[in-house]
Amino acid sequence: KNQVEQSPQSLIILEGKNCTLQCNYTVSPFSNLRWYKQDTGRGPVSLTIMTFSENTKSNGRYTATLDADTKQSSLHITASQLSDSASYICVVSVGAGNNRKLIWGLGTSLVVNP
Amino acid sequence: DAGITQSPRHKVTETGTPVTLRCHQTENHRYMYWYRQDPGHGLRLIHYSYGVKDTDKGEVSDGYSVSRSKTEDFLLTLESATSSQTSVYFCAISQGGQTQYFGPGTRLLVL
Repeated sequence: KNQVEQSPQSLIILEGKNCTLQCNYTVSPFSNLRWYKQDTGRGPVSLTIMTFSENTKSNGRYTATLDADTKQSSLHITASQLSDSASYICVVSVGAGNNRKLIWGLGTSLVVNP
Repeated sequence: DAGITQSPRHKVTETGTPVTLRCHQTENHRYMYWYRQDPGHGLRLIHYSYGVKDTDKGEVSDGYSVSRSKTEDFLLTLESATSSQTSVYFCAISQGGQTQYFGPGTRLLVL
């Protein structure tokens, strides 16, 4: 069964601190993996997309890693800001072409406190 | 929100009534999607469209229908709303099946 599991479910950190969110997946065949940020009351916004051959990709203070062997991804946030408070969702794309399907994780709820 | 609007943004309705949600895009993207988001579930695909009048079912399509008569508009209809359809509905668009861009969402409450 295709699954995407994220941990922790929720996280509270202080402004300025770093944090790492985890995503484990069991899907086949793997196509790519995306991280989305969803602010409260808004739609998800794409942060990064990673293909099988990519190990690390950065987007500002966000750095995503992918280990295709262990089927794990992480999202590292550096020097957190209050605006980073949001849900972070890992999404894995399975298959290709007309058979492509997205498997969505439940997200990690991050709260950054001053 | 990448040129995507949804209407209405909030709606309260009664069980058994028909409801139509509208998604409008100004990006001329080929693909459009309807999702629902509920606590304890990841986003779940209801229906999607890969062109005008070309639509297909997602994983939770029962009780929903869609129509796409123009590139820019994708309508989601609940034929006879039930309390289990209380949810937040998101429309998304993409070009070439890549990254999806989401609208602001519609909060639907079925009493």
